[in-house]
Amino acid sequence: EAQVTQNPRYLITVTGKKLTVTCSQNMNHEYMSWYRQDPGLGLRQIYYSMNVEVTDKGDVPEGYKVSRKEKRNFPLILESPSPNQTSLYFCASSLRGEQFFGPGTRLTVL
Amino acid sequence: SQQGEEDPQALSIQEGENATMNCSYKTSINNLQWYRQNSGRGLVHLILIRSNEREKHSGRLRVTLDTSKKSSSLLITASRAADTASYFCATDALFQGAQKLVFGQGTRLTINP
Repeated sequence: EAQVTQNPRYLITVTGKKLTVTCSQNMNHEYMSWYRQDPGLGLRQIYYSMNVEVTDKGDVPEGYKVSRKEKRNFPLILESPSPNQTSLYFCASSLRGEQFFGPGTRLTVL
Repeated sequence: SQQGEEDPQALSIQEGENATMNCSYKTSINNLQWYRQNSGRGLVHLILIRSNEREKHSGRLRVTLDTSKKSSSLLITASRAADTASYFCATDALFQGAQKLVFGQGTRLTINP
C-alpha cells in the first residue's frame, strides 16, 4: 500500500531533550516536506527536499533540522525542543504536485 | 505571507444541501489544490486544477478557478454527514526560485444530520 509513515504518532518531552521524528514513504517520490499545524495558523512548511541530499528551508525552519540521505526517508530533528514547538507535525511526499500526507505526530514540549 | 485564504472559516449546513467554500490567493500560480482533513488526521488530496483550467469535477466535487480574480471555489453537492471535515486550498507557485505549496487556514465544514 502506497503510504507515508511517521513515528512516533504522539510524543511528550521536556525542553532541551533532542528528538527525531521519522518519516518514510514507499512511493519513490523525490519531493518531501515537513509541515506544522497550529490553531489559527494553518499548515506552515518547515523544510522541504527536492531530492536526496537536497534540502531547503520552508517558512518556519528555526529550531529544526532535516536530512535526506535516502530517497524514502526524511527525518525531522529538534536539537533542543522548546514549548513553542508544541504542535501537530505532518510529513508529506509529492508526485506531480499532489501531496501525500502522513498521519501526523502530535508533539508536546513541557 | 499566506497565499491562500479560505472563506468562510466555518460552515454548517443540513445533510443533503450543497456546500460552497471559496479560496483567494495573491500571486500567479501553476495549479491550485484542495485537500480535506478529518480532525487531527493527515490531509487527503481531493482535486488539482491547473492554471489553464476553469472547472473540474470529481464525483460530488466541483472546483472552479478564476485566475483573473485569483480565486477558486469548491462545491460539494448533496452533502453527507461523512463530509464533515476541514477543507484547505493550496496554491502551487514559484516562490523565490523554488516551487512551493502554500496552504490556507481552511474551512471547517459541519454537516448536520
